[in-house]
Amino acid sequence: AQSVAQPEDQVNVAEGNPLTVKCTYSVSGNPYLFWYVQYPNRGLQFLLKYITGDNLVKGSYGFEAEFNKSQTSFHLKKPSALVSDSALYFCAVSPYSGAGSYQLTFGKGTKLSVIP
Amino acid sequence: GAGVSQSPSNKVTEKGKDVELRCDPISGHTALYWYRQSLGQGLEFLIYFQGNSAPDKSGLPSDRFSAERTGGSVSTLTIQRTQQEDSAVYLCASSFSLAGGLETQYFGPGTRLLVL
Repeated sequence: AQSVAQPEDQVNVAEGNPLTVKCTYSVSGNPYLFWYVQYPNRGLQFLLKYITGDNLVKGSYGFEAEFNKSQTSFHLKKPSALVSDSALYFCAVSPYSGAGSYQLTFGKGTKLSVIP
Repeated sequence: GAGVSQSPSNKVTEKGKDVELRCDPISGHTALYWYRQSLGQGLEFLIYFQGNSAPDKSGLPSDRFSAERTGGSVSTLTIQRTQQEDSAVYLCASSFSLAGGLETQYFGPGTRLLVL
């Protein structure tokens, strides 16, 4: 079975500084990896995904994520944080094939607070 | 429609009552998914549909939960004899096809269920 760990419940960063939200995963075989963002009282909004190819994936709103197979990580990054980036961020994984490939397994989420 | 829609947005019910939650996927999306988001359990996968078929119901928490999809479009999640532990946000997602984990799942705003 697959799993995702987001080791930080909360990340605080000053506006304009770079931000990183960490994610590690466990899955049999090759992974598909996703980042979603959730604003208060809203559903999940897709940010980016890794399927194959370049390890650096660029997504919406200036976010990017780096896939590191040896470290089984998929950290979310942004060069310059905005106050409007404050939200709850979820990392998710699904296996390339086989059992469970149709479902996303999510981490517990990381609350990002960008301080003006 | 432009995105996944869910109704009602909020539902308050008394313990023991039945509730129906509705999901309208993105037009043309053949795959549909239900998840539950709660404080204690995080985001849990419940069930998926390919067309009108739900091949695997093992993610449903108990036999009080059921789901159906008609016409390859709208889906209804029904909870019978609701319990307080059913209180959560129920999220629906859809994707263009199943295609293993490759397809991006797009989420609706959710239905917030409170069982008193």
